Amino acid sequence: NSKVIQTPRYLVKGQGQKAKMRCIPEKGHPVVFWYQQNKNNEFKFLINFQNQEVLQQIDMTEKRFSAECPSNSPCSLEIQSSEAGDSALYLCASSRSGTGGEQYFGPGTRLTVL
Amino acid sequence: AQSVTQPDARVTVSEGASLQLRCKYSYSGTPYLFWYVQYQRQGLQLLLKYYSGDPVVQGVNGFEAEFSKSDSSFHLRKASVHWSDSAVYFCAASIYNVLYFGSGTKLTVEP
Repeated sequence: NSKVIQTPRYLVKGQGQKAKMRCIPEKGHPVVFWYQQNKNNEFKFLINFQNQEVLQQIDMTEKRFSAECPSNSPCSLEIQSSEAGDSALYLCASSRSGTGGEQYFGPGTRLTVL
Repeated sequence: AQSVTQPDARVTVSEGASLQLRCKYSYSGTPYLFWYVQYQRQGLQLLLKYYSGDPVVQGVNGFEAEFSKSDSSFHLRKASVHWSDSAVYFCAASIYNVLYFGSGTKLTVEP
């Protein structure tokens, strides 16, 4: 079973509010990923890190979304100004490798934007 | 463009029956392939993976999958399902280190 920890499990925000979620990867996993899963089971890759450095990110992440993985602290994903369309399950995953190996997922943070 | 397709949105089987969930991918090369299971909208649990070699790979809880390069497929199988297997199953392909998921197959196991 995965040992990726995500907090909080549930997050409710009003439109325009900030939403911040955190992730602690499995020990020994230097690569961290964030995905968004919507209610139609469509997954969208947002960003990934190796140690503290961004490896890849999509355009959406560059605008209202920000993320970081500081040394000796949980990784975080923050939405600066939440929109209704951001309501989704945000999944953090970690991996031993940055070359396509298996990713282990946390339980997710379910964001509801009212 | 790369994509993963799971043609069956819902599958219902009786407990003890065999199971096959279908998955096809579209990519010019051979990606790493995975099956994940999601219970009650929780996180994803890895069932099995294929990187190379023997096209039949074994996973947890009696699941196995068979890779076919000619068919661009990676179907999941189980010889005898249990009621606890009821969940949503996702096929995924890792391309340039990013997972591309199918839309999922909701499996219901009837008593």
